[in-house]
Amino acid sequence: QLQLQESGPRLVKPSETLSLTCTVSGGSISRTDSYWGWIRQPPGKGLEWIGSIYYSGSTYYTPSLKSRVTLSVDTSKDQFSLRLSSVTAADTAVYYCARHIWGYYRYFTYWGQGTLVTVSS
Amino acid sequence: DIVMTQSPLSLPVTPGEPASISCRSSQSLLHSNGNNYLDWYVQKPGHSPQLLIYLGSNRAPGVPDRFSGSGSGTDFTLKISRVEAEDVGVYYCMQALQTLMYSFGQGTKLEI
Repeated sequence: QLQLQESGPRLVKPSETLSLTCTVSGGSISRTDSYWGWIRQPPGKGLEWIGSIYYSGSTYYTPSLKSRVTLSVDTSKDQFSLRLSSVTAADTAVYYCARHIWGYYRYFTYWGQGTLVTVSS
Repeated sequence: DIVMTQSPLSLPVTPGEPASISCRSSQSLLHSNGNNYLDWYVQKPGHSPQLLIYLGSNRAPGVPDRFSGSGSGTDFTLKISRVEAEDVGVYYCMQALQTLMYSFGQGTKLEI
């Protein structure tokens, strides 16, 4: 059974960079049928897809965050990471990492438990 | 960008009664391969979202048959034939038509 676990600082100061890592266990991040994504959920609000990365390093970002987001992947550690720069209070959210497939079928299959990141001084 | 709009945003229901959630997209989700790239997810209290329906009408493994999805193009519906207490949560539709660019509806909170 594939499992994903987010890790990283839970508190980030305004204007700084939010950094999170997702560790994949129970399977390889290099599987060719998988993409790895980040989704966030501000407190009491809905879901927002941030971006996705393929094991080769190809990245896809939501337009509204593209200028501030960087995704990277480390296949040797079965990890992928999110960096979000110049954060404000509006970036306070639960951040989920997830695996999704893309092709004839397109959906998110496995999700991490999520981690709440608060932007505050 | 494709905008997803759900209604209602809050849905009080009685156990044993049916429930229905609507999802509309700002452009057609019908692909040239004949598939509608519309998924439904449920987020139960304190949990991560989980897949319910994919390609508009296909139940994910393990999803009870009281859940059904229908629709095509820009109008989709999630129906629960007989609501159970365990169905409480927030239901989201999500479009997957655009190449690796997803967008979710606002969510519909189903409560008993």
